[in-house]
Amino acid sequence: GQSLEQPSEVTAVEGAIVQINCTYQTSGFYGLSWYQQHDGGAPTFLSYNALDGLEETGRFSSFLSRSDSYGYLLLQELQMKDSASYFCAALREAGTALIFGKGTTLSVSS
Amino acid sequence: DADVTQTPRNRITKTGKRIMLECSQTKGHDRMYWYRQDPGLGLRLIYYSFDVKDINKGEISDGYSVSRQAQAKFSLSLESAIPNQTALYFCATSDRDSSGANVLTFGAGSRLTVL
Repeated sequence: GQSLEQPSEVTAVEGAIVQINCTYQTSGFYGLSWYQQHDGGAPTFLSYNALDGLEETGRFSSFLSRSDSYGYLLLQELQMKDSASYFCAALREAGTALIFGKGTTLSVSS
Repeated sequence: DADVTQTPRNRITKTGKRIMLECSQTKGHDRMYWYRQDPGLGLRLIYYSFDVKDINKGEISDGYSVSRQAQAKFSLSLESAIPNQTALYFCATSDRDSSGANVLTFGAGSRLTVL
């Protein structure tokens, strides 16, 4: 089986830094991905970690620790437009499809 | 035009009706997926296909069927719709390699309401 756990809600203010955690339990593992979804819209790809460590893309960074079955998405210099749902997702094995966590709703206030 | 196009965008139907949601893509990707989204439950995988002759069940395939008519087209059918199939449905595509399989391109979604 496979499951990914992430907090349901996170709140922060503009300009702050927020970290969204994701822990996973999978029978196999081929990397952790992160997606952003604005209300009612299509999810969009943010980042992917195949190996341990930090991947940085502008204001967003993603981290993976395979030994701890844990990853996080770090959002810096928060803006109002970052208010959205964020999903972690994992590929259990090559030849299968991504399984998603239930999502974290981030609310950014001024 | 969008890379991944879903039709219809919104549909209201009655219990027991047959419904087809269609998806077409211009990404040239081999892999296509159908996910269902319900509030608080995230995205759940219904079916996925890695080529025209390859169809695989996902987490919640009961009550659904799919057809991969061509590399670019993947349709989802509800043979006899029921109210708890009311949800937002997303089609997605990806490249074939293991890293590319983590990068999904989603359509805009099809909102289905079953009365």
